Amino acid sequence: DVKVTQSSRYLVKRTGEKVFLECVQDMDHENMFWYRQDPGLGLRLIYFSYDVKMKEKGDIPEGYSVSREKKERFSLILESASTNQTSMYLCASTTAGTGEKLFFGSGTQLSVL
Amino acid sequence: AQSVTQPDIHITVSEGASLELRCNYSYGATPYLFWYVQSPGQGLQLLLKYFSGDTLVQGIKGFEAEFKRSQSSFNLRKPSVHWSDAAEYFCAVEVDSSYKLIFGSGTRLLVRP
Repeated sequence: DVKVTQSSRYLVKRTGEKVFLECVQDMDHENMFWYRQDPGLGLRLIYFSYDVKMKEKGDIPEGYSVSREKKERFSLILESASTNQTSMYLCASTTAGTGEKLFFGSGTQLSVL
Repeated sequence: AQSVTQPDIHITVSEGASLELRCNYSYGATPYLFWYVQSPGQGLQLLLKYFSGDTLVQGIKGFEAEFKRSQSSFNLRKPSVHWSDAAEYFCAVEVDSSYKLIFGSGTRLLVRP
């Protein structure tokens, strides 16, 4: 069965800490995405990647960076965590091609204190 | 700018009753449209998608959706709701064949026994 795995289900960090959220997919997908989900706002795209070492900004990239050194792994980095980054973070992947469905991980609930 | 509106934040229906979840989009060309469902503690799962052709689309779990260009709508329907359908539902549109999805804010479905 296809799988997108996010390393942590819950994470608690302190303001100013550097935070790494990891995502691994086993489907050999080219495209990978990071979304954040907030009540009443739905999902908002932070960053995405079409290929190894390639990245594109989404709609809300401020305060975040990403890394994709291997095809199967896409990391989201909060350089200096702030309380307004408390959120649910969802990773997704899809194969190349318009209109292909996204496969989502189960999410990481990040709390920044 | 492209956008997706789900006007209902919460909907409550009785088990066995019919269901319609509303979705309106703003997009210049013919959109690629999707409905995803998120069960508690889970990532999102694709219910159905529309690209072209027949405007009535069948999906998994007995769901269907109808694309109406004149109303810029893509409403999700189910003739008889089951308790296991309680979840959050997201409508989404793909932007410019870019693999990027814009999501609505979601509708939470509650099912009364």
